[in-house]
Amino acid sequence: GIQVEQSPPDLILQEGANSTLRCNFSDSVNNLQWFHQNPWGQLINLFYIPSGTKQNGRLSATTVATERYSLLYISSSQTTDSGVYFCAAGLTGGGNKLTFGTGTQLKVEL
Amino acid sequence: DGGITQSPKYLFRKEGQNVTLSCEQNLNHDAMYWYRQDPGQGLRLIYYSQIVNDFQKGDIAEGYSVSREKKESFPLTVTSAQKNPTAFYLCASSQRGGRSYEQYFGPGTRLTVT
Repeated sequence: GIQVEQSPPDLILQEGANSTLRCNFSDSVNNLQWFHQNPWGQLINLFYIPSGTKQNGRLSATTVATERYSLLYISSSQTTDSGVYFCAAGLTGGGNKLTFGTGTQLKVEL
Repeated sequence: DGGITQSPKYLFRKEGQNVTLSCEQNLNHDAMYWYRQDPGQGLRLIYYSQIVNDFQKGDIAEGYSVSREKKESFPLTVTSAQKNPTAFYLCASSQRGGRSYEQYFGPGTRLTVT
């Protein structure tokens, strides 16, 4: 099956700093999603981005499908951005099963 | 107000008992999924269903069973054969294809077995 790797595993930022989270995947995908898991465990959909670039406020994401990676950019970070960020990929022709990475634990400090 | 509901939020059971977790969606999605999350880990797929009365095993199906009798509902039974049932269980749904494969998740059920 598809392999999904995220980096870095942990990240500590000062409020106002920018960051880039990376997701590498091992095969051709028709689904690539970024999620933020809040302290209660709820997965919040950030981006559905099997290819291209999208922006939503302070967050943006880029997927380069031909090179098998995706990036999540967080600008002007806030303490509310803290939590775990997951990347998940679905293999083309794989029945839309998502394979998750192990996540990036982000802590934003004052 | 469309979404996915899971109940209960917390569930406690004694070892050896079967337990059923509920998942309901009103998004009119054909496909539904069950994932398991262990502390500090990503999610792993247990079972998925692309259409009513049909479902397939995911990566870690042993010790679990599902049914899909209605489009809106996809209950998961954790049987006594599951060796490490204590975990956080998340249900998701998506369209079956077309313009988007985006999955949406419910709030989850935390199961503790002692």
